[in-house]
Amino acid sequence: QVQLQESGPGLVKPSETLSLTCTVSGGSISGNYWSWIRQSPGKGLEWIGYIHYSGSTNYNPSLKSRVTISVATSKNQFSLKLSSVTAADTAVYYCARDFNGWTHFDYWGQGTLVTVSS
Amino acid sequence: EIVLTQSPGTLSLSPGERATLSCRASQSVSSSYLAWYQQKPGQAPRLLIYGASNRATGIPDRFSGSGSGTDFSLTISRLEPEDFAVYYCQQYGSSPRTFGQGTKVEIK
Repeated sequence: QVQLQESGPGLVKPSETLSLTCTVSGGSISGNYWSWIRQSPGKGLEWIGYIHYSGSTNYNPSLKSRVTISVATSKNQFSLKLSSVTAADTAVYYCARDFNGWTHFDYWGQGTLVTVSS
Repeated sequence: EIVLTQSPGTLSLSPGERATLSCRASQSVSSSYLAWYQQKPGQAPRLLIYGASNRATGIPDRFSGSGSGTDFSLTISRLEPEDFAVYYCQQYGSSPRTFGQGTKVEIK
């Protein structure tokens, strides 16, 4: 059973960079796509972007200028960086296995709340 | 991007009753590329249905999905106590993938 766990700071200051890591266990990160999704009261669930284990990425156009997703296959991890954050980026951030990079999400982490505040 | 509108916002029902949730898309969702998720408080969404009507692994057969084009629905034939939750639809016929705002199924 694939399990995912998000980790990273729960508080980020405005204009700084949000950084999160997702650790995959119970399966290999290789051969799959992996996504970041966030959920806020104001915008609901929002797909941020995905990375393939090979390193190819695809981002939501609404966030593309601020997002970088990377993968560390040797550690079975992938990471999210979101720059120039504002209060609007306050949300629960989930990592998820992306079934094939363009369909549904079949395994999710428990989520981590990130608050943007000074 | 495709906007998904779910209705009703809240559905108040009793255990054993039938629940029908609607998801309407702002434009046609190609090839019925639609999924449904269940989310309970403090938990991540759980995949229920993909491809509009295919149950995910381990999902009970009281959950069924249907629809095509712009109109989709999720039906729970007989509500069990553990089914009271928020349900989201998600389309993947067009990039970027988008989610509906959710329907809460609450105990009446």
